[in-house]
Amino acid sequence: EVQLVESGGVVVQPGGSLRLSCAASGFTFDDYAMHWVRQAPGKGLEWVSLISWDGGSTYYADSVKGRFTISRDNSKNSLYLQMNSLRAEDTALYYCASSAAGALDYWGQGTLVTVSS
Amino acid sequence: SYELTQPPSVSVSPGQTARITCSGDALPKKYAYWYQQKSGQAPVLVIYEDSKRPSGIPERFSGSSSGTMATLTISGAQVEDEADYYCYSTDSSGNHRRVFGTGTKVTVL
Repeated sequence: EVQLVESGGVVVQPGGSLRLSCAASGFTFDDYAMHWVRQAPGKGLEWVSLISWDGGSTYYADSVKGRFTISRDNSKNSLYLQMNSLRAEDTALYYCASSAAGALDYWGQGTLVTVSS
Repeated sequence: SYELTQPPSVSVSPGQTARITCSGDALPKKYAYWYQQKSGQAPVLVIYEDSKRPSGIPERFSGSSSGTMATLTISGAQVEDEADYYCYSTDSSGNHRRVFGTGTKVTVL
């Protein structure tokens, strides 16, 4: 059974940093590109970032470029999102999702990040 | 930045057909995908590559794309289809960025 489990979401002050993790199981992790997607409370889905299967290519939404860094460790079947210079508008439920081709095939249940003083 | 535009809401009676549109300049060149999100749950893929249905998705869900518009059709909508629906695609400018549509709340009553 495919499982994606996000962790690391907490309450953090504006300007602070946070690292989210996503543990994958039930599939061959290094066959898949991986994404982060977020959803602010009561709002729609927002694509955040993409990393290729080998970590060699990364892409970001304009809203997080220069502040967030996506990475992966295929030996640990894990995906990460380093979040720096956090703002109130980064408050959201953060999902990780796998992608074999174009679709986001499997999703985790999300981890909540709250940026507040 | 690239945008995908959807109507905010669609309402249908049970058994009727619901159509949700998604408009985007890159859709003639890029596939559209559709996700269903029920309250408090993670999104679920219901249509991929414009018109293909993943295993386990009911046949009443179908997709099409023509020009700059993609459409998700729910034929014979059921009460359990009440959810938010999002289209998803790729920016065609070569930057590999993905984008979600603005989302459509489907009400079946």
